[in-house]
Amino acid sequence: LAKTTQPISMDSYEGQEVNITCSHNNIATNDYITWYQQFPSQGPRFIIQGYKTKVTNEVASLFIPADRKSSTLSLPRVSLSDTAVYYCLVGGSFGNEKLTFGTGTRLTIIP
Amino acid sequence: NAGVTQTPKFQVLKTGQSMTLQCAQDMNHNSMYWYRQDPGMGLRLIYYSASEGTTDKGEVPNGYNVSRLNKREFSLRLESAAPSQTSVYFCASSARTQRGETQYFGPGTRLLVL
Repeated sequence: LAKTTQPISMDSYEGQEVNITCSHNNIATNDYITWYQQFPSQGPRFIIQGYKTKVTNEVASLFIPADRKSSTLSLPRVSLSDTAVYYCLVGGSFGNEKLTFGTGTRLTIIP
Repeated sequence: NAGVTQTPKFQVLKTGQSMTLQCAQDMNHNSMYWYRQDPGMGLRLIYYSASEGTTDKGEVPNGYNVSRLNKREFSLRLESAAPSQTSVYFCASSARTQRGETQYFGPGTRLLVL
Protein backbone atom coordinates (compact mmCIF):
# COMPACT_ATOMS: atom_id res chain seq x y z
CA LEU A 1 0.00 0.00 0.00
CA ALA A 2 1.34 3.41 -0.94
CA LYS A 3 2.27 5.52 2.10
CA THR A 4 1.44 9.19 2.18
CA THR A 5 3.03 12.04 4.11
CA GLN A 6 1.24 15.31 4.87
CA PRO A 7 1.86 18.22 7.25
CA ILE A 8 0.27 17.55 10.59
CA SER A 9 -1.40 20.96 10.83
CA MET A 10 -1.84 24.26 9.02
CA ASP A 11 -3.40 27.59 9.88
CA SER A 12 -4.82 30.12 7.44
CA TYR A 13 -6.92 33.27 7.52
CA GLU A 14 -10.36 33.50 6.03
CA GLY A 15 -10.40 34.46 2.36
CA GLN A 16 -6.95 33.05 1.66
CA GLU A 17 -6.11 30.25 -0.75
CA VAL A 18 -4.82 27.17 1.07
CA ASN A 19 -2.54 24.58 -0.49
CA ILE A 20 -1.95 21.25 1.24
CA THR A 21 0.76 19.04 -0.21
CA CYS A 22 0.94 15.28 0.09
CA SER A 23 3.98 13.13 -0.71
CA HIS A 24 3.48 9.62 -2.09
CA ASN A 25 6.84 8.48 -3.43
CA ASN A 26 5.86 4.84 -4.01
CA ILE A 27 2.61 5.44 -5.84
CA ALA A 28 1.83 2.60 -8.25
CA THR A 29 1.26 3.16 -11.94
CA ASN A 30 -2.49 2.65 -11.78
CA ASP A 31 -3.14 4.31 -8.42
CA TYR A 32 -5.38 7.33 -8.14
CA ILE A 33 -5.01 10.20 -5.67
CA THR A 34 -8.04 11.05 -3.58
CA TRP A 35 -8.61 13.70 -0.94
CA TYR A 36 -11.17 13.52 1.86
CA GLN A 37 -12.39 16.06 4.40
CA GLN A 38 -13.45 15.14 7.92
CA PHE A 39 -15.29 17.29 10.44
CA PRO A 40 -15.35 16.36 14.14
CA SER A 41 -17.74 13.51 14.95
CA GLN A 42 -18.41 12.78 11.28
CA GLY A 43 -17.16 10.32 8.72
CA PRO A 44 -14.78 11.53 5.99
CA ARG A 45 -16.31 13.11 2.92
CA PHE A 46 -14.93 12.86 -0.62
CA ILE A 47 -13.52 16.12 -1.99
CA ILE A 48 -11.64 15.41 -5.20
CA GLN A 49 -9.81 12.69 -7.08
CA GLY A 50 -7.29 12.65 -9.89
CA TYR A 51 -4.67 10.66 -11.75
CA LYS A 52 -2.40 13.28 -13.32
CA THR A 53 -2.14 16.98 -14.18
CA LYS A 54 -4.94 19.15 -12.80
CA VAL A 55 -8.47 18.41 -11.71
CA THR A 56 -10.96 21.06 -10.61
CA ASN A 57 -14.44 20.82 -9.17
CA GLU A 58 -16.77 23.21 -7.40
CA VAL A 59 -14.90 23.06 -4.08
CA ALA A 60 -11.22 22.43 -4.81
CA SER A 61 -8.44 21.87 -7.30
CA LEU A 62 -5.92 19.05 -7.33
CA PHE A 63 -2.50 19.51 -8.87
CA ILE A 64 -0.43 16.44 -9.72
CA PRO A 65 3.05 16.80 -11.26
CA ALA A 66 4.25 14.55 -14.05
CA ASP A 67 6.14 12.17 -11.74
CA ARG A 68 3.01 11.77 -9.55
CA LYS A 69 5.14 11.48 -6.41
CA SER A 70 3.24 14.30 -4.76
CA SER A 71 -0.03 16.16 -5.08
CA THR A 72 -1.42 19.47 -3.86
CA LEU A 73 -4.97 20.14 -2.75
CA SER A 74 -5.91 23.77 -3.31
CA LEU A 75 -8.86 25.33 -1.50
CA PRO A 76 -9.74 28.77 -2.88
CA ARG A 77 -10.84 31.54 -0.53
CA VAL A 78 -11.32 29.45 2.60
CA SER A 79 -13.95 30.19 5.24
CA LEU A 80 -14.33 29.15 8.87
CA SER A 81 -16.40 26.17 7.74
CA ASP A 82 -13.34 24.73 6.00
CA THR A 83 -11.75 24.01 9.37
CA ALA A 84 -11.37 20.22 9.27
CA VAL A 85 -8.89 17.39 8.83
CA TYR A 86 -7.87 16.67 5.24
CA TYR A 87 -6.64 13.24 4.18
CA CYS A 88 -4.70 12.30 1.09
CA LEU A 89 -5.02 8.71 -0.11
CA VAL A 90 -3.46 6.82 -2.98
CA GLY A 91 -4.72 3.58 -4.43
CA GLY A 92 -8.08 2.53 -5.75
CA SER A 93 -6.82 0.86 -8.88
CA PHE A 94 -8.06 -2.60 -9.75
CA GLY A 95 -6.53 -5.04 -7.26
CA ASN A 96 -5.57 -2.22 -4.90
CA GLU A 97 -8.97 -1.15 -3.69
CA LYS A 98 -7.89 -1.07 -0.04
CA LEU A 99 -7.40 2.59 0.76
CA THR A 100 -5.26 3.50 3.74
CA PHE A 101 -5.67 6.78 5.56
CA GLY A 102 -2.66 8.61 6.96
CA THR A 103 -2.81 10.97 9.91
CA GLY A 104 -4.15 13.81 7.77
CA THR A 105 -3.64 17.58 7.94
CA ARG A 106 -5.59 19.52 10.54
CA LEU A 107 -6.52 22.82 8.87
CA THR A 108 -7.60 25.66 11.13
CA ILE A 109 -9.12 28.78 9.58
CA ILE A 110 -8.63 31.95 11.60
CA PRO A 111 -11.21 34.74 11.41
CA ASN B 1 -31.46 6.95 -0.65
CA ALA B 2 -29.92 6.77 2.86
CA GLY B 3 -26.34 6.11 1.72
CA VAL B 4 -24.38 4.26 4.40
CA THR B 5 -26.11 3.60 7.71
CA GLN B 6 -24.61 2.24 10.91
CA THR B 7 -26.14 0.90 14.10
CA PRO B 8 -25.85 1.50 16.95
CA LYS B 9 -24.66 5.11 17.20
CA PHE B 10 -23.28 4.62 20.71
CA GLN B 11 -22.44 1.57 22.79
CA VAL B 12 -20.86 0.92 26.17
CA LEU B 13 -19.49 -2.55 26.83
CA LYS B 14 -17.74 -4.24 29.70
CA THR B 15 -14.47 -6.02 29.07
CA GLY B 16 -15.13 -9.49 27.71
CA GLN B 17 -18.58 -8.74 26.32
CA SER B 18 -19.33 -9.29 22.67
CA MET B 19 -21.27 -7.22 20.17
CA THR B 20 -21.89 -6.76 16.47
CA LEU B 21 -21.77 -3.46 14.66
CA GLN B 22 -24.11 -3.30 11.71
CA CYS B 23 -23.57 -1.47 8.44
CA ALA B 24 -25.77 -1.24 5.36
CA GLN B 25 -25.55 0.66 2.09
CA ASP B 26 -28.22 1.24 -0.54
CA MET B 27 -25.95 2.45 -3.35
CA ASN B 28 -25.36 -0.98 -4.90
CA HIS B 29 -21.64 -0.75 -4.19
CA ASN B 30 -19.46 -3.83 -4.42
CA SER B 31 -16.78 -2.86 -1.91
CA MET B 32 -17.31 -2.22 1.79
CA TYR B 33 -14.88 -1.33 4.60
CA TRP B 34 -14.59 -1.10 8.36
CA TYR B 35 -12.26 1.48 9.91
CA ARG B 36 -11.54 2.53 13.46
CA GLN B 37 -10.50 6.02 14.50
CA ASP B 38 -8.90 6.69 17.86
CA PRO B 39 -8.98 10.22 19.31
CA GLY B 40 -6.80 12.63 17.34
CA MET B 41 -5.73 9.93 14.93
CA GLY B 42 -6.40 8.98 11.36
CA LEU B 43 -8.56 6.08 10.25
CA ARG B 44 -7.13 2.58 10.30
CA LEU B 45 -8.55 -0.17 8.12
CA ILE B 46 -9.80 -3.19 10.04
CA TYR B 47 -11.35 -5.32 7.31
CA TYR B 48 -12.36 -4.92 3.72
CA SER B 49 -14.79 -6.74 1.42
CA ALA B 50 -14.34 -6.39 -2.33
CA SER B 51 -17.61 -8.18 -3.09
CA GLU B 52 -20.30 -10.33 -1.54
CA GLY B 53 -18.74 -13.43 -0.05
CA THR B 54 -15.17 -12.10 0.16
CA THR B 55 -13.33 -10.42 3.01
CA ASP B 56 -9.74 -9.36 3.54
CA LYS B 57 -7.73 -8.15 6.53
CA GLY B 58 -6.64 -4.57 6.83
CA GLU B 59 -4.04 -2.98 9.10
CA VAL B 60 -5.60 -3.85 12.48
CA PRO B 61 -7.78 -6.99 12.21
CA ASN B 62 -6.89 -8.63 15.53
CA GLY B 63 -9.85 -8.94 17.89
CA TYR B 64 -12.43 -8.49 15.12
CA ASN B 65 -14.40 -10.64 12.71
CA VAL B 66 -16.56 -9.58 9.80
CA SER B 67 -19.40 -10.97 7.75
CA ARG B 68 -20.46 -9.78 4.32
CA LEU B 69 -24.03 -10.97 4.65
CA ASN B 70 -25.10 -9.80 1.20
CA LYS B 71 -24.24 -6.98 -1.14
CA ARG B 72 -25.87 -4.40 1.13
CA GLU B 73 -24.66 -5.44 4.58
CA PHE B 74 -21.24 -5.76 6.19
CA SER B 75 -21.07 -6.44 9.94
CA LEU B 76 -18.18 -6.18 12.38
CA ARG B 77 -18.07 -8.40 15.45
CA LEU B 78 -16.08 -8.00 18.64
CA GLU B 79 -16.03 -11.44 20.28
CA SER B 80 -14.45 -10.35 23.56
CA ALA B 81 -14.21 -6.59 23.88
CA ALA B 82 -11.11 -5.00 25.39
CA PRO B 83 -10.53 -1.39 26.55
CA SER B 84 -8.06 -0.99 23.66
CA GLN B 85 -11.02 -1.33 21.30
CA THR B 86 -12.57 1.89 22.59
CA SER B 87 -12.82 3.94 19.42
CA VAL B 88 -15.12 5.34 16.77
CA TYR B 89 -15.92 2.81 14.09
CA PHE B 90 -16.71 3.90 10.56
CA CYS B 91 -18.18 1.78 7.82
CA ALA B 92 -17.74 2.78 4.18
CA SER B 93 -18.71 1.55 0.76
CA SER B 94 -17.09 2.46 -2.50
CA ALA B 95 -17.98 2.93 -6.11
CA ARG B 96 -15.63 2.43 -8.99
CA THR B 97 -15.58 5.39 -11.30
CA GLN B 98 -13.47 6.09 -14.34
CA ARG B 99 -10.94 7.64 -11.98
CA GLY B 100 -10.86 4.94 -9.33
CA GLU B 101 -12.58 4.05 -6.08
CA THR B 102 -14.55 6.73 -4.22
CA GLN B 103 -15.57 5.92 -0.67
CA TYR B 104 -18.77 6.97 1.09
CA PHE B 105 -18.78 6.84 4.87
CA GLY B 106 -21.43 6.22 7.49
CA PRO B 107 -21.91 8.42 10.56
CA GLY B 108 -19.88 6.18 12.84
CA THR B 109 -20.43 4.09 15.97
CA ARG B 110 -18.87 5.34 19.19
CA LEU B 111 -17.79 2.42 21.34
CA LEU B 112 -16.57 2.60 24.93
CA VAL B 113 -15.19 -0.53 26.55
CA LEU B 114 -14.86 -0.36 30.31
